Amino acid sequence: QSALTQPASVSGSPGQSITISCTGTSSDVGGYNYVSWFQQHPGKAPRVVIYDVSYRPSGVSNRFSGSKSDNTASLTISGLQAEDEADYYCTSYTSSSPVVFGGGTKLTVL
Amino acid sequence: QLQLQESGPGLVNPSETLSLTCTVSGGSISSSSYHWVWIRQPPGKGLEWIGSIYYRGSTYYNPSLQSRVTVSVDTSRNQFSLKLSSVTAADTAVYYCARWTVATLDYWGQGTLVTVSA
Repeated sequence: QSALTQPASVSGSPGQSITISCTGTSSDVGGYNYVSWFQQHPGKAPRVVIYDVSYRPSGVSNRFSGSKSDNTASLTISGLQAEDEADYYCTSYTSSSPVVFGGGTKLTVL
Repeated sequence: QLQLQESGPGLVNPSETLSLTCTVSGGSISSSSYHWVWIRQPPGKGLEWIGSIYYRGSTYYNPSLQSRVTVSVDTSRNQFSLKLSSVTAADTAVYYCARWTVATLDYWGQGTLVTVSA
């Protein structure tokens, strides 16, 4: 299955908001509300920050929010902080396989 | 608190079989709500789903790896395992085990680096 499409990199200054997009098809992102977002710091395992498109797990800052429109999901981080600098991956349930990953986006906090 | 821990050799010779085990603690691997997953990440690259297993033994494998992958479960030990045969340098990666609900991958192991080299 083809990977979901994410921008390779995004950047923002502390306090600003950024949005990372994740584009798939009607067989994955557009067809199911099972989109997740993962944050990965260098040398660490990924951790989920958004699941089911827009739900935050316990312990995740409310500065993280998710949404979806048609075949594109989005992760927004508001009030950017230095600790948000990391790689971010989206995933979606698909009609042909359990999960497909996005290619990842490197977030730089300027 | 659920914890997952990968274990196995950190160095594998080319053409041989990579074998890893994931030990689950703090919860039962036999829960009907979850699948158990292997994911890998080559150095500097993104995440790749390798395969998954349900406690009753049903599996799903990434089509690109299917001919070389076997995932198995040992409910008596609360463990699941990965075997990847005929490895090459392209299989060098950090290998993660994780728990999957339909919604998300909610618990991950810390990952283990496996290098394929003679």
